[in-house]
Amino acid sequence: DAGITQSPRHKVTETGTPVTLRCHQTENHRYMYWYRQDPGHGLRLIHYSYGVKDTDKGEVSDGYSVSRSKTEDFLLTLESATSSQTSVYFCAISGAGGTNSYNEQFFGPGTRLTVL
Amino acid sequence: DQQVKQNSPSLSVQEGRISILNCDYTNSMFDYFLWYKKYPAEGPTFLISISSIKDKNEDGRFTVFLNKSAKHLSLHIVPSQPGDSAVYFCAASALGAQKLVFGQGTRLTINP
Repeated sequence: DAGITQSPRHKVTETGTPVTLRCHQTENHRYMYWYRQDPGHGLRLIHYSYGVKDTDKGEVSDGYSVSRSKTEDFLLTLESATSSQTSVYFCAISGAGGTNSYNEQFFGPGTRLTVL
Repeated sequence: DQQVKQNSPSLSVQEGRISILNCDYTNSMFDYFLWYKKYPAEGPTFLISISSIKDKNEDGRFTVFLNKSAKHLSLHIVPSQPGDSAVYFCAASALGAQKLVFGQGTRLTINP
């Protein structure tokens, strides 16, 4: 199994507060992704990274920002959380050994975020 | 604009029978397709994939079929087992896109 951890695993916060979710990998994969999973919508890409300091938007990026200052860590920040951001967030990695192979992604265990 | 669609939210199959999960896509630039399986409270795990240059790929009890002209793929599980009960997502990527597009998922329940 690819070594991916997400922290925290569960978080309850209030509307308007900032929240940062962390994804950490030990596999030296080039690509890292943040998804959210919601009923009826499947997995939707928020942001992704194709290298250190290289990131791009996904289909639901509004209200989220990301940073990747080193290969191992990819942070997702909600600058001012809203109730619509209550969801389960998954991090994924691909590109073993820093290759360009991005198709087969390995997922972390997820973070359940509740915004009250 | 849902580029990858799984029109059946749920499917119930008897143990030992065949399970067929379907997926449709609209983007003709997609050239690689994957199926993921997800158990509750866990992240999705890769199951099987197929390139657009093929129309079938088999791995044990799992077979994926691709019909490019219809922009349709399906996952066959034979025989179905109770441990196959999970949510299944299909996903697609276009050459050079560096990302996947997922369908909404189908919840498969295998009944004993």
